[in-house]
Amino acid sequence: EDKVVQSPLSLVVHEGDTVTLNCSYEVTNFRSLLWYKQEKKAPTFLFMLTSSGIEKKSGRLSSILDKKELFSILNITATQTGDSAVYLCAALSGSARQLTFGSGTQLTVLP
Amino acid sequence: DTAVSQTPKYLVTQMGNDKSIKCEQNLGHDTMYWYKQDSKKFLKIMFSYNNKELIINETVPNRFSPKSPDKAHLNLHINSLELGDSAVYFCASSRDYGSTEAFFGQGTRLTVV
Repeated sequence: EDKVVQSPLSLVVHEGDTVTLNCSYEVTNFRSLLWYKQEKKAPTFLFMLTSSGIEKKSGRLSSILDKKELFSILNITATQTGDSAVYLCAALSGSARQLTFGSGTQLTVLP
Repeated sequence: DTAVSQTPKYLVTQMGNDKSIKCEQNLGHDTMYWYKQDSKKFLKIMFSYNNKELIINETVPNRFSPKSPDKAHLNLHINSLELGDSAVYFCASSRDYGSTEAFFGQGTRLTVV
């Protein structure tokens, strides 16, 4: 069975801190790894990673994939209160043609 | 314009009832999905569907059934609702099976009493 595990489950930091969120995966015929940010409602897409070692960056957020070790990290630098959300990692399996989600990391950024 | 829209946003109903949740996407995507998010925030795939193929997660009870009148719509029908069906249900779409990110609707919070 495909599996995605995220850590930590929750994280509380202060504005300005840098955080690293972890995601490990075991999926059959892995194709891509995706990161989503979920605030109150729908998850919104952040990154899709397909190749190992290539960092994707968007503002203060960046992510990288290690296909050998089967994990990805999401970094957020200079955190702001607006970064408070659940961050979801999902692995795309080519064989199942569906996303398997982790349980998410609840990030709380305090002022 | 909302890319993926679901109705209703909230649904409270009694055990044993039959209900439907509607989903529409205006992105021209070929593939649509239904996910269930439980109280622990796990998002679990229920169905993946395009106009050629339906993939059902084998753990989904057959009380749940997707209905697609056309490529832009994928409705979720639930028969004989149970307390354990209470959750947030998300509809999503992608350009095709698994090639790009999925865009999510705002979710439908279903409460079975």
